[in-house]
Amino acid sequence: KQEVTQIPAALSVPEGENLVLNCSFTDSAIYNLQWFRQDPGKGLTSLLLIQSSQREQTSGRLNASLDKSSGRSTLYIAASQPGDSATYLCAVEAFQGAQKLVFGQGTRLTINP
Amino acid sequence: DARVTQTPRHKVTEMGQEVTMRCQPILGHNTVFWYRQTMMQGLELLAYFRNRAPLDDSGMPKDRFSAEMPDATLATLKIQPSEPRDSAVYFCASGLVAKSATQGETQYFGPGTRLLVL
Repeated sequence: KQEVTQIPAALSVPEGENLVLNCSFTDSAIYNLQWFRQDPGKGLTSLLLIQSSQREQTSGRLNASLDKSSGRSTLYIAASQPGDSATYLCAVEAFQGAQKLVFGQGTRLTINP
Repeated sequence: DARVTQTPRHKVTEMGQEVTMRCQPILGHNTVFWYRQTMMQGLELLAYFRNRAPLDDSGMPKDRFSAEMPDATLATLKIQPSEPRDSAVYFCASGLVAKSATQGETQYFGPGTRLLVL
């Protein structure tokens, strides 16, 4: 059974710092990995989707990498801003369940002005 | 600005009552997902539909939960009878998958229905 783990559970950094969020998964047989952002009381917003054949994806100040063989992904946020404060979740789509996403518990990020 | 809508946004009910949650997927999307989010379990997939047909509802307690898509613009999730352990935020998401594809694309989430069963 696929399991997704995110470490740390919470992170607080000063504004302007670059930071890395980590995601690991137990079964490397995946179609893709996605990073989502969730603001308090809101739904999820997709940030980046990395197909299994890709190594990384970039969108603005965000860069996500995927190492399928080791079961790891990182989300790099450059020059963090208070508006980046949110919970970040990663999710994998496993072979056994096409379109079924398995989510990690998330990392709650706080950027201090 | 196309988005997934869910109603109601908040629901407080007593144990044993029926609860119906509704979702309007993004027009043109052919896949609809129901998720439940709790502090303890995180986000869990309950059921999903493609072209209105249920593909998988293995994550759903069958004895009390049911999910349907009466038409392409409406998905419903019902709980009967509700129990306090059903208290959670229920999210609907929609996406578009090509006919020949086996893997998914980005899912677009609604704002959720926050359910409290007393």
